[in-house]
Order: sequence, then structure tokens, then C-alpha cells
Amino acid sequence: EAGVAQSPRYKIIEKRQSVAFWCNPISGHATLYWYQQILGQGPKLLIQFQNNGVVDDSQLPKDRFSAERLKGVDSTLKIQPAKLEDSAVYLCASSPSLAGGQNEQYFGPGTRLTVT
Amino acid sequence: GENVEQHPSTLSVQEGDSAVIKCTYSDSASNYFPWYKQELGKGPQLIIDIRSNVGEKKDQRIAVTLNKTAKHFSLHITETQPEDSAVYFCAARIIQGAQKLVFGQGTRLTINP
Repeated sequence: EAGVAQSPRYKIIEKRQSVAFWCNPISGHATLYWYQQILGQGPKLLIQFQNNGVVDDSQLPKDRFSAERLKGVDSTLKIQPAKLEDSAVYLCASSPSLAGGQNEQYFGPGTRLTVT
Repeated sequence: GENVEQHPSTLSVQEGDSAVIKCTYSDSASNYFPWYKQELGKGPQLIIDIRSNVGEKKDQRIAVTLNKTAKHFSLHITETQPEDSAVYFCAARIIQGAQKLVFGQGTRLTINP
């Protein structure tokens, strides 16, 4: 079974530029998550999708971050404009559960973003 | 909101010895507690989890214990090996509103040969 795919793996941009990350979850998984992991910290949930609908985006900085999951499969996370404090690893995870959280979450390798 | 505290932040043990990592959580309604292992340059990988209806779960050299009254849970690794070196995260699932995992700050475990 193929795992969660993410691209790019690394990205370096200047502040105020925009950037987009892509995630392809495990086939058939209904729930998709985007996490932000700042160096030395645990992952923090940004947004959770169930199929193509948003379940929780309470911790997403909506003035600069946006995410979509058209057709309930792939997802993109965008930052516009980026700030220095956005430097982090952005992790995508998926879960087969429609309820989210209860079942195992499978993580992708992450995208390491550096904002200079 | 839910808060998960994890200790210690770093842990160094001799190969073959045991390692214990402890976490506390604030939401008494939390009912699912996974542990993840993260190696350098990789995403977190689930290694064991426990639900609130059991007090202990074991899988080969790894075990997790849960004390619901005290709201803490622990990861135990016995007979440690060099490949156990990684960062370990605990998490707790909150169930108010959208169910989601809240992660601890992580423990960097180093196994010394």
C-alpha cells in the first residue's frame, strides 16, 4: 500500500512570497489533515478535511493560509504572503475514519519550508 | 483547550537498558492516546496506541500504560537498541467538537552503544 505522498520535500522562499504544498493521501482515506511542525515541537493541527469538506480549521491563520481538497482526494495548502515564523515542516496525514482521530493517522514525509 | 505535557525532552540510555517517557493531559474526556516515532527527515509513525478502556498494552519491546484518574500515560521501551534512537511524541484525542489529536512536545531518545 502506497503511503501519503507530499511535494515538494523542501522549499526556500523569501518573506512576503507565496508557496503551495501538495498532498496525496492513502487511497480510500476519507480524512485528511495538515499539520505544522516547528523545529523542536510536536505537530500542530492546521486543518482537517472529511472527504472534501472542512471539519476543523480553528487553528489555521486564515489571513494568510488557505487549503482545499477538491474532489475529496488530493489537497493543497497555500501560504500567501509568507512570514519568517512560517518556517516549519508541513505534514500531511490521512485516516480511513470519517470521524477523524480515532483511527490511526498515517503521515507523509513532510515539506520543510524555510522563509528568509 | 487540551494540553499535553511530555517529559523528559531528551533521554539518553545505554543499549539494552529501558527507557520511559511520560505524558500528562488536561481533558478528562480524552479517550485515545497514540505514540509516534519520528526519525530524521521523516514523518511521524505510529508505534503503539491505547484507548481509555484499558490500562496497559504491550507490543514486543514496547508497552504503554494509562492512568485515567491521574490523567497520565507512559511509553516503556525495554531492551533498547540503536535503531530506537529517534524523537517520540505522545498525543491525546480531544472529543469536543471536531475530534483531533493534540501532541506533546516530543522526547529525543538516544541509545548509546
